[in-house]
Formats: sequence, structure tokens, C-alpha cells
Amino acid sequence: SQTIHQWPATLVQPVGSPLSLECTVEGTSNPNLYWYRQAAGRGLQLLFYSVGIGQISSEVPQNLSASRPQDRQFILSSKKLLLSDSGFYLCAWRGENQPQHFGDGTRLSIL
Amino acid sequence: GQQLNQSPQSMFIQEGEDVSMNCTSSSIFNTWLWYKQDPGEGPVLLIALYKAGELTSNGRLTAQFGITRKDSFLNISASIPSDVGIYFCAGFNAGGTSYGKLTFGQGTILTVHP
Repeated sequence: SQTIHQWPATLVQPVGSPLSLECTVEGTSNPNLYWYRQAAGRGLQLLFYSVGIGQISSEVPQNLSASRPQDRQFILSSKKLLLSDSGFYLCAWRGENQPQHFGDGTRLSIL
Repeated sequence: GQQLNQSPQSMFIQEGEDVSMNCTSSSIFNTWLWYKQDPGEGPVLLIALYKAGELTSNGRLTAQFGITRKDSFLNISASIPSDVGIYFCAGFNAGGTSYGKLTFGQGTILTVHP
């Protein structure tokens, strides 16, 4: 069966520091991968999606970037975090003609 | 971007009561999904609907894909305290250049009083 892992579960970072959140999927090949941000427990905003290695599409302009160095690995990064980057970050995967399945998320707090 | 119109935004009910929530869209989807999110966790898929008019059950949950393909509803029967959470509807069009991107409703916050 397929599983998705996100880490870390929680992260507290100072303003201006770099960020790296990782997401990996097991039990499937060539999934579509997605990064979302959720503010205040409502409304999932799609940040990036990827349909293959090295292929990244950005949905909204922002201080973040994404990379997909391997088929089942998706990374969310920032060079310098802003206060407004705080939130709950969710990774999701999808197989062909299947619904999306989400990871457990990373709670990011910027101080 | 587009967002589905999900209602109600919140519900406060007594344990044992039935719950109904719905989603409407201005455009057609060929797949409707219902997710539940517990505090501090990611959304979990409850029900997926693939055909207009389809009625699907998952335990005490029942969901329907509207005939017009522009709406869906979710019913929960005999609610229990663990039903507490946020319920999201989502629509997408499989295939083509949509890449499986979901359009979400705003969510329904469900509170169940014992």
C-alpha cells in the first residue's frame, strides 16, 4: 500500500533563516506531488505541484520554492523566511486517475 | 482562484443527530471528493464520487454526486464525538492538463456535544 511521510511535524524558525521541508511517498511510481499551505485550520492553498522529476509548477508568487530531486521526493524550501510564512504545510500525492492523499503536515512557526 | 461554495460553515449538534453538508460549483467536475481533517493532522479521504448521480456510503457516511455535476452532499448519520473535525469537499477533473489539481470548499467545522 502507498504511504506518505512528511517531516518534521513541527518547526520553529527565526525570521530570515532558511527552510527545508521534506515529503516522501512509498509504494507508487511517478506520482503527482503537491504542496499546500493552510492558515488557521481552514482553506487549503495550493503552492506547487509536480508531475515528474525536476518538473515544478508554481501556483502563487511567494517566498518559497519547491524541488523534486527524485521520483517520490518533494522538497519545500526558502532561503529567508518571513513572518508571513507561518502556517500548516501539507504534502499530497496522487496516482493516475486517483484522488489526492495527504500527509500529516508540518506546523511552521516563525519567530 | 475558484473555490467551491460549501455550507454550512459550522455546525453544533448533539451526539446521535444526523448531519448534512453540501457543496456547489459554478463549473462541472467529473470527480467529487469529501475529506475530513482532525486538528493538527492532514485531511483524510472519506468518499470519492466518479459518476453523476452516484450515491456512495462509507459506514455512517453517505455522499452523492449531483446530476448536474456541479454539486455534492455529505450526510453523517447518528453522529458520535469522534466525528468532530473539519469536512472539506473538493472537485477535480481527471485527465487532461488539470494534473489532478483540486478545487476545495471552505470547509465545515463540525462540533458534536456528548
